[in-house]
Amino acid sequence: SQQGEEDPQALSIQEGENATMNCSYKTSINNLQWYRQNSGRGLVHLILIRSNEREKHSGRLRVTLDTSKKSSSLLITASRAADTASYFCATVFSGGYNKLIFGAGTRLAVHP
Amino acid sequence: GAVVSQHPSWVICKSGTSVKIECRSLDFQATTMFWYRQFPKQSLMLMATSNEGSKATYEQGVEKDKFLINHASLTLSTLTVTSAHPEDSSFYICSARDGREGPNNEQFFGPGTRLTVL
Repeated sequence: SQQGEEDPQALSIQEGENATMNCSYKTSINNLQWYRQNSGRGLVHLILIRSNEREKHSGRLRVTLDTSKKSSSLLITASRAADTASYFCATVFSGGYNKLIFGAGTRLAVHP
Repeated sequence: GAVVSQHPSWVICKSGTSVKIECRSLDFQATTMFWYRQFPKQSLMLMATSNEGSKATYEQGVEKDKFLINHASLTLSTLTVTSAHPEDSSFYICSARDGREGPNNEQFFGPGTRLTVL
C-alpha cells in the first residue's frame, strides 16, 4: 500500500503565486524525496531531505520535514506555467533494500 | 546525474502475448533496480525490487509468475509481462540505485514504458 498521503490532491493557482503541497507518511524514514512528473512522462528528482534535516532549499523550492508529525511540505515560490505537473513525495524507510514508496501526488496547474 | 534508459518507450500488443521491457543503467552499476506501475492519474506503485544475481522481491498482490523480473547484470534488469491482458495496460517505470553510494542515496528513474494491450 502507499506509504502516505498528499494534500491537496489538486491545486490550481495563477502565475507568480506560491504553491504549497503537503505529504504525510506512516513509518519511520531514512529520507524523503520530492519528484515532479509532467503528464505521461518520466520522473524528475527535485529534492532529497534526510531524516535529520528540517529544511532544504533548491532554487524556488523549499522543503520542510517534521519527523515528529511524520509530514513534509514542498513550497514552490513565484510559480510559472512550466511548473504545471504532478508532484509526488516518496519515502525511503528501513524495510529492506530501502524501497522508495510514493505518495498519492498533487496535480498542480499554474495558469498564465 | 546518472542516466537510466528503458526500452521500448511504448509498446502495443495483442492480448495473450508476452512483452519484455528493458531497464539499463548507462553510467553506473546498479546493484538494485525497482519496477513501478502507474495507472492514469494515479501514483507509482512499487511492483518489485530486483537485485543483481538473485531473485526479485515482489510486493504484496503482485503476481510473480505474471511479471517476470531478471536482473542478469549490474546494468540491466528486464520485466516480462506474460500473457498480457488489457488490464495490464499501464505505464511501467524502472529505477536504479548506485550500490557504491550506500542505501540512502538517490534513485534514478527511467523514462517509462507505456504498454497498451489490445
